[in-house]
Amino acid sequence: DVKVTQSSRYLVKRTGEKVFLECVQDMDHENMFWYRQDPGLGLRLIYFSYDVKMKEKGDIPEGYSVSREKKERFSLILESASTNQTSMYLCASSLPVGEQYFGPGTRLTVT
Amino acid sequence: RKEVEQDPGPFNVPEGATVAFNCTYSNSASQSFFWYRQDCRKEPKLLMSVYSSGNEDGRFTAQLNRASQYISLLIRDSKLSDSATYLCVVNLNNNDMRFGAGTRLTVKP
Repeated sequence: DVKVTQSSRYLVKRTGEKVFLECVQDMDHENMFWYRQDPGLGLRLIYFSYDVKMKEKGDIPEGYSVSREKKERFSLILESASTNQTSMYLCASSLPVGEQYFGPGTRLTVT
Repeated sequence: RKEVEQDPGPFNVPEGATVAFNCTYSNSASQSFFWYRQDCRKEPKLLMSVYSSGNEDGRFTAQLNRASQYISLLIRDSKLSDSATYLCVVNLNNNDMRFGAGTRLTVKP
């Protein structure tokens, strides 16, 4: 059974703080993704990675960076959190083709 | 124009009803198509893939019309447990997936 885990279910941070969101998958998937989900907007892709140390910008990369030092782990970094980054963050992994498997999500609130 | 557009609903239907959701996509080069289901406060999970010839999985039928860039999902004999948000998903390439905002379904007794 595929498992994607995220470091926190709920997180509250202050404006300007640096925030790390961790994602780990146990199925040896090549691809990993970070999305944010907001009401009425659906899932929007922030960054994705096809391999270790590789990353590609998605639709809304501004204010975010990522790190993939190991195949199973994909980290999302908010360099200086802002209130408009309050959102649900979802990590996903997949083989090169096929279904994406999602983690349970991290609900981030920036105050 | 959004890449993937869905009617947000909500659709409120009685148990046993048949309900259909529609989705349009803008990129004619899209390669594959899916419906995901997302329960309240949960992550999205794959419901079914959508094939050009149309496909059925129990009470669920998915159809694709490439010429019109249109995808549909039909649910027959709705159950209370079908209540969820249904996400239309289009795969551009290399698993670069674009998600619709979702259609919310509530099935009532």
